[in-house]
Amino acid sequence: EPEVTQTPSHQVTQMGQEVILRCVPISNHLYFYWYRQILGQKVEFLVSFYNNEISEKSEIFDDQFSVERPDGSNFTLKIRSTKLEDSAMYFCASRQIFGPGTRLTVL
Amino acid sequence: AQSVAQPEDQVNVAEGNPLTVKCTYSVSGNPYLFWYVQYPNRGLQFLLKYITGDNLVKGSYGFEAEFNKSQTSFHLKKPSALVSDSALYFCAVRGGGSQGNLIFGKGTKLSVKP
Repeated sequence: EPEVTQTPSHQVTQMGQEVILRCVPISNHLYFYWYRQILGQKVEFLVSFYNNEISEKSEIFDDQFSVERPDGSNFTLKIRSTKLEDSAMYFCASRQIFGPGTRLTVL
Repeated sequence: AQSVAQPEDQVNVAEGNPLTVKCTYSVSGNPYLFWYVQYPNRGLQFLLKYITGDNLVKGSYGFEAEFNKSQTSFHLKKPSALVSDSALYFCAVRGGGSQGNLIFGKGTKLSVKP
């Protein structure tokens, strides 16, 4: 069964540093998404991506965030200057199939 | 605007008994509804979805959900609960058409006791 993979599984960074979270979505899917889940809270939509461009984004997805699909397989989420409140689980999704997540800890 | 409500923070069930985890939704247009399960420190596992057709949807691990348009509900059910079903369950609705993002409920913690 096809699956979505994400790397790294856990990322620890200092406040103000840039992080890149990586995802490999399911190969024949066209719609990709990033979500986040702050510890103990519900899952929140960040951004959707179709045909190599952002199709929709939430209020959370401000100028500190960016996404790209640089090589046709990887799908990345970049946070330029991390804040403490960016600490969360970040999930990539390919249609309705979610990856295992990356736990981001900002110190 | 699309929204999902899970009225119960926690549901407690004895092993072997039937379980129900409740979900109600509010959408404009046809609803695309989903259930996910999350085990501790794990990702979201897709259980089932309703797009159209039969109101009773069967999914993974013996779970099923019943779509009720008049009550705007999509409750998750299982005839006989297992201890291993203990986890966090999320209901979600797809906003903005067939490929829009998912809008999640706050989750319901299911605890199945032996």
